[in-house]
Order: sequence, then structure tokens, then C-alpha cells
Amino acid sequence: GQSLEQPSEVTAVEGAIVQINCTYQTSGFYGLSWYQQHDGGAPTFLSYNALDGLEETGRFSSFLSRSDSYGYLLLQELQMKDSASYFCAVDSSGGSYIPTFGRGTSLIVHP
Amino acid sequence: NAGVTQTPKFQVLKTGQSMTLQCAQDMNHNSMYWYRQDPGMGLRLIYYSASEGTTDKGEVPNGYNVSRLNKREFSLRLESAAPSQTSVYFCASGQNTEAFFGQGTRLTVV
Repeated sequence: GQSLEQPSEVTAVEGAIVQINCTYQTSGFYGLSWYQQHDGGAPTFLSYNALDGLEETGRFSSFLSRSDSYGYLLLQELQMKDSASYFCAVDSSGGSYIPTFGRGTSLIVHP
Repeated sequence: NAGVTQTPKFQVLKTGQSMTLQCAQDMNHNSMYWYRQDPGMGLRLIYYSASEGTTDKGEVPNGYNVSRLNKREFSLRLESAAPSQTSVYFCASGQNTEAFFGQGTRLTVV
């Protein structure tokens, strides 16, 4: 089976940088995804890392270390609208993308 | 494009009643999924369908059945609802390395 660990809550102030960590244990691994979910909304895709290293998309970056079974999501220049839950998800199925999600991290951005 | 459409958005059932949650996608994706989301538990996979004509159990399949009616549609059936099935249900479709979610169904079983 799979297990993922991420902090339950992170708080930060507007304009700051925050890092949300994710560690995973899985029998097979093809990649790590990140999703954002605002209260009452649907999860939306942010990023996917298949290889080690940092992937940057605007203010958001995602990092993966396969040898450490670890990844993180980095959010820069935080805005109030970034207050949301963030989920990491492992892709361990191969062939078809079948994400298994962590319990999520609630990010609270203060003015 | 509508993306992934789920119906209904809200539903209240009595214990023992049955119902089917409907899901359709218009993105021609091969994979479709049903997740449930409970407070503090993240998204847990109930069933998935990697391609038309196939379905497989996820992490929490007990009490549910699914049908992949065609490439577009993937329904979730509760045969005899229980209070433990009170949750928000999300349908999603996926291709390559990205999943697209519907807006969810809030189900309460009393």
C-alpha cells in the first residue's frame, strides 16, 4: 500500500515564502503530484514531478527527491487567495495515472 | 467544455436507501475515478476505471459499486446507504499525469 505524510496546517503572512513537505512510502513510484483545494471547491492540479529536482511554475515550485521519498511544494510571494488546502499525491500505478492522496495541509495566509 | 460534471450536488438519504451518483466527462480521458473526502482524511479512492470496460477497487470500496457505462460516464452506486457513507464524493477523470475533478456531491445519510 501507500502512505503519505504532510503537516496538517501551516500559517504564513502575505508576501512570505512557505514550504509544504510531503514524505511517502509506496511499493511502486512513478511521480508525485500536488493539488490545491479551496474551501467548498474541487481539487485542482498544480504540478507533477517524475524526476528529481525542482519544477517551477510561476509563484509555485515543486521539488522531488526519489532517493529520500520526499517532496515539497514551495509557494512564493504569498497572497490571501493562496489560503487553501494542499494535497500531495503519489502515482504508483504505472501506465494509467491513479493518484493516491495524502491528508492535506491547510495553508492559512494572514495579512 | 464542461469538464467533469457530477449530479446531484446535494443529497440526503435515509439509512438503507439506494442511489446512484452520476459522472460524465467531455475531455476524452481514458481514466475515471471516484473519491470520497471526509474531514482530516484527505481524498480516498473508492473505485477507478483505467479504461472503458474496466473497473478496479481502490482503498475504500466496501458498500459501493461502479459502472463504466462508456468512455464518458462513470457512475457510483450505494446499494444500502449507511451513516458512515456521509461524505463529499468527487468524480475525476485523468490522462497522462493530471486529474480533473468535478464539483462534488455532498451526501448525508440519516
